[in-house]
This record gives sequence, C-alpha cells and structure tokens, in this order.
Amino acid sequence: GQQVMQIPQYQHVQEGEDFTTYCNSSTTLSNIQWYKQRPGGHPVFLIQLVKSGEVKKQKRLTFQFGEAKKNSSLHITATQTTDVGTYFCADPNTNAGKSTFGDGTTLTVKP
Amino acid sequence: KAGVTQTPRYLIKTRGQQVTLSCSPISGHRSVSWYQQTPGQGLQFLFEYFSETQRNKGNFPGRFSGRQFSNSRSEMNVSTLELGDSALYLCASSLDLNTGELFFGEGSRLTVL
Repeated sequence: GQQVMQIPQYQHVQEGEDFTTYCNSSTTLSNIQWYKQRPGGHPVFLIQLVKSGEVKKQKRLTFQFGEAKKNSSLHITATQTTDVGTYFCADPNTNAGKSTFGDGTTLTVKP
Repeated sequence: KAGVTQTPRYLIKTRGQQVTLSCSPISGHRSVSWYQQTPGQGLQFLFEYFSETQRNKGNFPGRFSGRQFSNSRSEMNVSTLELGDSALYLCASSLDLNTGELFFGEGSRLTVL
C-alpha cells in the first residue's frame, strides 16, 4: 500500500542550529501536508503544498515539495526551544478520503 | 469557535472490557476521522465518517468500530480490549469530505491493564 516515510526519526540540536526533516512517498502525491505535535499535545496543521517544486515559508520554517511530487522537506533555521515537538508529513490522499501520516521526526532543542 | 472536543481525556480499562470514546467536531465540520497513536506505530488511520456513513476504514480488527450521528458527533468503540490497544486515540474533523486540513482534538488516552 501507499507509504510515507520520514527521516530522521529523531534529531537533537543545539539552540540556534538548523534542522531538516525529509518525507518520501512510494507514489506520486497530489498534495502534501505538514503537522506539528508538541510534547503531550495533538497534531496541528502547519501547511499544505500542492504544486511541483513549490516552496513556502513561515517565518523560520521553509517547506519544499519535490519536482516529482514524491518527496518533501521541512527546514527550520536557527532553532528555538519553542520548535520542540514531532513533525509529521501527511499525504491527504483526498481521492481515497483518508490521510496517511509519516512516522514523524521528533526534534529536541538544547538551550 | 470551539475546537474538536474529545471525551474522556484519560481512561483506564482492563483486558476484555470495552470502551466508547466520543468526539464532537468543530461546528460546521461534517467529516470526522479517527487515528490511533502509539510510540512505535505513529499515527494509524482507523476510520472516517461523513454524513453518518463510514467512508473509509483502516487495517484494524473488527473489535474497532464507530459511528457518526446526524449532528456530526462521532463515537468509536473498542470491544474485548487487549493490552496492545493502549494508545492515544485522536479524532480529527474537517469541513467536508476530501478537504485536506485536519483539525485534531486533544485525544483520549486509553490504558489497558
């Protein structure tokens, strides 16, 4: 079945360092979404990418959608302790009516 | 606008019992999805309901069931609980079927002893 894989599983950084998580799909995606889950919290929608090669920025966060629409990345510049949490990519798979989530990348930031 | 509300937030059951979890979606949202989250398995899709009909089901045994009411509120039930059912059960609502962005509730944390 359709799979969405994320790497790395864990990332520990010093505050101020950059962070990147990668998402790869076994099939071509129509869209890709990113969610953030703080420790003890619930996933919160960050962004959806739709177009091939699309790049979107939210302050220190940069999201990219691959040209082939089979991969995506989230890059955080100069991490802060507020960035701590697990970042999930998700294939909305809107034709099938359900979202498939990657296993997530858990980011810890050492002050 | 109130968010997605899930009850109960925490519960403890023993093996063999059954449990019912409730989810009230954001007002106006008609689609409700359920996910099981465990440390080792991530977010696993359980089922999606829209207009009181189950539209999709994940790869879970028949012990897991759900329903949706006319006001879009949803319940899921797990019968004959097993230790491995211990997890955070997350409900997510969206405005309509196949409309992407999911709004998650805080979840119901189930512990099976």
